[in-house]
Amino acid sequence: GAVVSQHPSWVICKSGTSVKIECRSLDFQATTMFWYRQFPKQSLMLMATSNEGSKATYEQGVEKDKFLINHASLTLSTLTVTSAHPEDSSFYICSARESTGSSTEAFFGQGTRLTVV
Amino acid sequence: SQQGEEDPQALSIQEGENATMNCSYKTSINNLQWYRQNSGRGLVHLILIRSNEREKHSGRLRVTLDTSKKSSSLLITASRAADTASYFCASLTGANNLFFGTGTRLTVIP
Repeated sequence: GAVVSQHPSWVICKSGTSVKIECRSLDFQATTMFWYRQFPKQSLMLMATSNEGSKATYEQGVEKDKFLINHASLTLSTLTVTSAHPEDSSFYICSARESTGSSTEAFFGQGTRLTVV
Repeated sequence: SQQGEEDPQALSIQEGENATMNCSYKTSINNLQWYRQNSGRGLVHLILIRSNEREKHSGRLRVTLDTSKKSSSLLITASRAADTASYFCASLTGANNLFFGTGTRLTVIP
């Protein structure tokens, strides 16, 4: 299957700083990428849908000024957690879907574990 | 809430037994997908069933879909210890969003 690379796999940052997470589709072009958040032993919650060349669409309750999403190319989307606080500590996972073809399978990155201290 | 519901939340079985997980979703869908997640890791796609399909097989996996009840089930036959993981259903909506169920944590005892 297609490969989605997410970086970093884990990060520890101080409260008040910003953290950028990258999501790359390595062998396909992704018009749409999705960002999810997962708390321990819970399911994945869709945060936002990122479309190449346009503004991201955020789910209800997700602060767009806190979670900045940029989808500058067909192979890269970034999520920046601004002014991070301990409650932002979570597992963040990106997903990408191929732009062409009839398949609607989504491919997931390995996730980024963010710890804010 | 965007989430679908899954049951059971946790399931513990002996190796060789079958495991059945159920999923209910909230809106009309294009397809429904099942994923596996090992602890603290990313997701692995298992199987996709389209809205016009009722049953699909892949190896030891069997998925059913009942769009009238907005529900799906995943059956893993002849389970192995390596099947221990969390399993999530995910529904792809007409708006092209993928929403996950609450998950079932499966433990297969050797």
